[in-house]
Amino acid sequence: DTGVSQNPRHKITKRGQNVTFRCDPISEHNRLYWYRQTLGQGPEFLTYFQNEAQLEKSRLLSDRFSAERPKGSFSTLEIQRTEQGDSAMYLCASSLWTGAGEKLFFGSGTQLSVL
Amino acid sequence: AQTVTQSQPEMSVQEAETVTLSCTYDTSENNYYLFWYKQPPSRQMILVIRQEAYKQQNATENRFSVNFQKAAKSFSLKISDSQLGDTAMYFCAFMRKGGSEKLVFGKGTKLTVNP
Repeated sequence: DTGVSQNPRHKITKRGQNVTFRCDPISEHNRLYWYRQTLGQGPEFLTYFQNEAQLEKSRLLSDRFSAERPKGSFSTLEIQRTEQGDSAMYLCASSLWTGAGEKLFFGSGTQLSVL
Repeated sequence: AQTVTQSQPEMSVQEAETVTLSCTYDTSENNYYLFWYKQPPSRQMILVIRQEAYKQQNATENRFSVNFQKAAKSFSLKISDSQLGDTAMYFCAFMRKGGSEKLVFGKGTKLTVNP
């Protein structure tokens, strides 16, 4: 159990560029979540996967955002045509879901700064 | 929709003393879970304690305990024998049983433990 790994830790980009983040969950965890955290706020849910299926997307996830989890392992979150309002920390979490309110294990996040 | 409110943006406590962080939530659900997560400067969200709503007994994890008042929709965290390493942001979170089981977070309380 090596924990949830996120890369990169920091990303600085110019407005209008595309960025992609990666999340490697704890092995054998069947659920993977993406959250966004802005300064002074708690994390907000963006989307989640059960295995390779994306089962729910928040209204926060505009059509510039896309997430994938091929083969039910790692996941990527891509933001196209970044805007300054996208600046935030993007957190990934995973769990072994059995329907009993399992604990979510979080990564250290990717801090995105859009200039 | 569920909401979580943490009314104390910042708190401080002397090392070895006890401190209580407040959290209230609003939901029409009957089956849910409540969590406290800690976020130190390293940014990784770390689970502190978990409470199942159907259990009347308050959860305890070493120096951490909760006071769960279901009727009042209150879920406070007590930290005993505070240590310098407890300095962090603390987030209260709600999880509805079933479906996505995503976490809904409060805005957090910044706790500083002073030597």
